Amino acid sequence: DIQMTQSPSTLSASVGDRVTITCRASQSINHWLAWYQQRPGKAPNLVIYDASTLEGGVPSRFSGSGSGTEFTLAISSLQPDDFATYYCQQYSSYPLSFGGGTKVEIK
Amino acid sequence: DVKLLQSGGGFVQPGGSLRLSCAASGFTFSIHGMSWVRLAPGRGLEWVSTIIGSGSVTHYADSVKGRFTISRDNSKNTLYLEMNSLGVEDTAFYYCAKDLAQLPHFDSWGQGTLVTVSS
Repeated sequence: DIQMTQSPSTLSASVGDRVTITCRASQSINHWLAWYQQRPGKAPNLVIYDASTLEGGVPSRFSGSGSGTEFTLAISSLQPDDFATYYCQQYSSYPLSFGGGTKVEIK
Repeated sequence: DVKLLQSGGGFVQPGGSLRLSCAASGFTFSIHGMSWVRLAPGRGLEWVSTIIGSGSVTHYADSVKGRFTISRDNSKNTLYLEMNSLGVEDTAFYYCAKDLAQLPHFDSWGQGTLVTVSS
């Protein structure tokens, strides 16, 4: 089974900051990685898929990079709407797996 | 617009059973894989199960294998999750989700339904 490890688990930042979140896979998943944003009490929203493809309607301040075992989600200029929890997910093989999540909170 | 409307869930005692439903609209249901994902209190997202468009192939997390059954009725555009032998560890919000482009990552989600297992 593929384990997904996210870091950090919590990130404190201010509006306008650039933030990055890292996701590591326990074995190569090529580019089969998605990122989701989840606000409290809401369903997750797809942000990035195939490691670097921006989902339609998602602001261009979000970007994804990486392949193999190491991936990054970046937000170029944090906006109030962006304070949420972010999860990576591999879909290279079953069982599918999510990272533990990164909570982005207001500093 | 894609819509996934969930129903079912609620409170059940350990060892009990529940069935969740997810009614889909706004897309060709029969060609998309569908999945269930849960979010337990204080924990992260956990994939539960996936079923392909035809319904002929299913996948399960080890934590639910043998207890949960995913199914679909393409004539009714509805996804199901039958949950048996429920334990307190199954307490969570359960979400149905639609695969993007026939790969199991999810571009649309249901609103979520709470399953509480407690004595």
